Amino acid sequence: AQKITQTQPGMFVQEKEAVTLDCTYDTSDPSYGLFWYKQPSSGEMIFLIYQGSYDQQNATEGRYSLNFQKARKSANLVISASQLGDSAMYFCAMREGRGTGGFKTIFGAGTRLFVKA
Amino acid sequence: NAGVTQTPKFRVLKTGQSMTLLCAQDMNHEYMYWYRQDPGMGLRLIHYSVGEGTTAKGEVPDGYNVSRLKKQNFLLGLESAAPSQTSVYFCASTQRSRGDATNEKLFFGSGTQLSVL
Repeated sequence: AQKITQTQPGMFVQEKEAVTLDCTYDTSDPSYGLFWYKQPSSGEMIFLIYQGSYDQQNATEGRYSLNFQKARKSANLVISASQLGDSAMYFCAMREGRGTGGFKTIFGAGTRLFVKA
Repeated sequence: NAGVTQTPKFRVLKTGQSMTLLCAQDMNHEYMYWYRQDPGMGLRLIHYSVGEGTTAKGEVPDGYNVSRLKKQNFLLGLESAAPSQTSVYFCASTQRSRGDATNEKLFFGSGTQLSVL
C-alpha cells in the first residue's frame, strides 16, 4: 500500500537560510510521482514541485529543489534563502502509476515551517 | 478563471443531519477527488472519480457517499453527520493520465469548513 511519512511536525529556520523538509515514501509500483504542496495560513493548496520516479536529475523550481534518493525512498524538499512568506504548512504527496494505486494521490501529515526574522 | 469551486465554504450541522458538498470544475478534468484535512493527519482521501458515472473509495470512505453524474461536478454527501466528521474538506481535480504518467498535479478548491455539533 502507498504510504507517505513526514516526521517533522514543525521546523524553524532563520530568514535567508536554507531548510530541508523530510519525506519518505513506500510503494511497490516502479512508476510514481512525488509532489510537494504548500498551504499558507489562508488555507489554499499551492503546487510547488514534482519529481518522477524515472527522472535522472533532481527537480528544481526557483528556490525549491527536491532531493530525490530513490534507493532510500526519500524525497526531501529544500528551500533555499528562506523568506518570511515561506512560513506555511508543507505537504509531501505521491501519485502511483496506472498499474497499482492508479489515479490516486496520497499525502503525508505535513510539516509546519516557521521562518524567523 | 474559476478553476475548482466548492460550496458551501462553511457549514455547521447537528449530529444526525445530512448535507451535500458540491465541487465544480471548469477545466474539463477527468479525475476528481474529495479529501478531508485534520490536524496532524494531513489530507486523507475520502472518495474519488476517474470519470463521469464512476466513483471509488479512498482511504477513509465510511460515512460518506459521492456521485459524479456530470463530468464537471463531484458531490460529497453525509447522510447522518457525526462529530468525527468535523473537518476541512477539499475537492481537487486533475487531467487524465497519459499512459503510465504520474505528473498530474492536483488543482484544489478553497475548502469547506464543516463543524458537526
